Amino acid sequence: ETGVTQSPTHLIKTRGQQVTLRCSSQSGHNTVSWYQQALGQGPQFIFQYYREEENGRGNFPPRFSGLQFPNYSSELNVNALELDDSALYLCASSRGDNRGAGANVLTFGAGSRLTVL
Amino acid sequence: GNSVTQMEGPVTLSEEAFLTINCTYTATGYPSLFWYVQYPGEGLQLLLKATKADDKGSNKGFEATYRKETTSFHLEKGSVQVSDSAVYFCALSERGYQKVTFGTGTKLQVIP
Repeated sequence: ETGVTQSPTHLIKTRGQQVTLRCSSQSGHNTVSWYQQALGQGPQFIFQYYREEENGRGNFPPRFSGLQFPNYSSELNVNALELDDSALYLCASSRGDNRGAGANVLTFGAGSRLTVL
Repeated sequence: GNSVTQMEGPVTLSEEAFLTINCTYTATGYPSLFWYVQYPGEGLQLLLKATKADDKGSNKGFEATYRKETTSFHLEKGSVQVSDSAVYFCALSERGYQKVTFGTGTKLQVIP
């Protein structure tokens, strides 16, 4: 089975720009979650998608948005980038339902490292 | 809200030493508890989990027991190897909630 793949692996943007990160979920998984991991910190939950709809959101502003496609792949979009958005962005897939049951055993990708200058 | 507190690192051990990484949690319900490991340049991997009180999760020689009375889930291994060098994250998730809450991670370095 294929794992979770993310692209790009590294990117550099300037403040105010927009970025799109992409994620392909593991085969058989229907739920995708996005996490932000600042240097030296644990991952922080951004949001989760199930059946192409947002199914839970962490404490992140609306300029963080996402999509899930019929094949369960996903995008994370961040508008109006700020310096503090510099981090490793992790995508995780799981097999769950809309109540979150089963969705907490996560398979992570290697991440996209975003640097905002 | 939910939170996870881990011992600060880095932890440096000699090969074959005994490992303990402490983890305590705060949760309003009855969470599932996890340990994830992150090797350099890679994403997090699930190491072990426990879903109810007194459960013991184990994998690759690592163990952790869900202690509800002390709200703890300490990670242990009897004899570490150089290949165990990584960052270890304790985490929890409450049933019916979508997010997993992670600790700040503990870096382990094992020297030959």
